[in-house]
Amino acid sequence: EPEVTQTPSHQVTQMGQEVILRCVPISNHLYFYWYRQILGQKVEFLVSFYNNEISEKSEIFDDQFSVERPDGSNFTLKIRSTKLEDSAMYFCASSREGTDTQYFGPGTRLTVL
Amino acid sequence: GEDVEQSLFLSVREGDSSVINCTYTDSSSTYLYWYKQEPGAGLQLLTYIFSNMDMKQDQRLTVLLNKKDKHLSLRIADTQTGDSAIYFCAEIDSGAGSYQLTFGKGTKLSVIP
Repeated sequence: EPEVTQTPSHQVTQMGQEVILRCVPISNHLYFYWYRQILGQKVEFLVSFYNNEISEKSEIFDDQFSVERPDGSNFTLKIRSTKLEDSAMYFCASSREGTDTQYFGPGTRLTVL
Repeated sequence: GEDVEQSLFLSVREGDSSVINCTYTDSSSTYLYWYKQEPGAGLQLLTYIFSNMDMKQDQRLTVLLNKKDKHLSLRIADTQTGDSAIYFCAEIDSGAGSYQLTFGKGTKLSVIP
């Protein structure tokens, strides 16, 4: 069964450094998403992406964040200058259509020191 | 904004039924979901229900939706130790043109052998 994959599983970085989190969505899906879960808190929506552009973003997704689909398979989340409060589990998800079920990857745990 | 609330913990004996409850505030929710998260793993879709349904059954899982009270429940029959996980309720209001999932904080289910 096809699944969403994410790399790396764990990323440790220094405050102020740039990080890129990578995701490979399910191959016939058209909508892509990033969510994050700070330890002990709710899973929060960051951004959705369709047809090579952002379709929706939350207040969390400020200028420090960007997303890209650099080729036909990868979907990336870049954090330009990481802050301590960016430490969280970041989940990628994809769906065939916007109204369809979103399937999640296993997550990348980002630790900012 | 939308809010989804769940109780944080539930403990049941193996073989008993588990009922995990969720309340939501968005009266125009179109889809409601249950996701399961095992330790160190991603979010696994368990089941979902469309807002015009009252009940959905899928093997050991039964979802009940009370739209008047904005209450969703997940019943797991014959609970097994492998069901120990965190269960997240989530809703989407695709009628508003938004495809972002709003999650509850998750209910940690502990199954006692």
